[in-house]
Amino acid sequence: EAGVTQSPTHLIKTRGQQATLRCSPISGHTSVYWYQQALGLGLQFLLWYDEGEERNRGNFPPRFSGRQFPNYSSELNVNALELEDSALYLCASSPTGGARETQYFGPGTRLLVL
Amino acid sequence: QKEVEQNSGPLSVPEGAIASLNCTYSDRGSQSFFWYRQYSGKSPELIMFIYSNGDKEDGRFTAQLNKASQYVSLLIRDSQPSDSATYLCAVAYNQGGKLIFGQGTELSVKP
Repeated sequence: EAGVTQSPTHLIKTRGQQATLRCSPISGHTSVYWYQQALGLGLQFLLWYDEGEERNRGNFPPRFSGRQFPNYSSELNVNALELEDSALYLCASSPTGGARETQYFGPGTRLLVL
Repeated sequence: QKEVEQNSGPLSVPEGAIASLNCTYSDRGSQSFFWYRQYSGKSPELIMFIYSNGDKEDGRFTAQLNKASQYVSLLIRDSQPSDSATYLCAVAYNQGGKLIFGQGTELSVKP
């Protein structure tokens, strides 16, 4: 069974630009989560999508947004990039989003903002 | 106050010893508890999950949960150098969705 996939693996942008990160969940999973792992800050929850809808949002500014497509894949958009947006962005998926479900993580996209 | 707290370490144990990793959480509404392992430069991978008070064993790993004390721990028996990684404690609430992660404990197993 294929795991969660993410693209690109690395992304270099300059301040003020926009970044788009993509995620494909495990087959059969409808819930997709996005997390940011910045140096020294640990894993921070960004967004949760299930059945095409945004279900929950972490404490991040509106320039972090995303969507989920009918095939349950997802993209994360970060507008007006700032230097502190440099981080590893991790996507995870679970079957339906229940509290007792394991979230399986993809390999991540490492974003560097110059 | 942080929602999920872990000792950042590093925790250093000799090969073959028991490594004990601890985690406390602040919200009594927490329902599910997960331990992930993260090697440097890699993504987190699930080690164990636990929902009920008590112990849960899986091979060399034992998770312990005490909801009254809001405490969850992970014991690694017969520690191996390949266990050297950062261990992340994560908590989920009844409404599902997001996991709240601790800062992680760095474990180093010395041969």
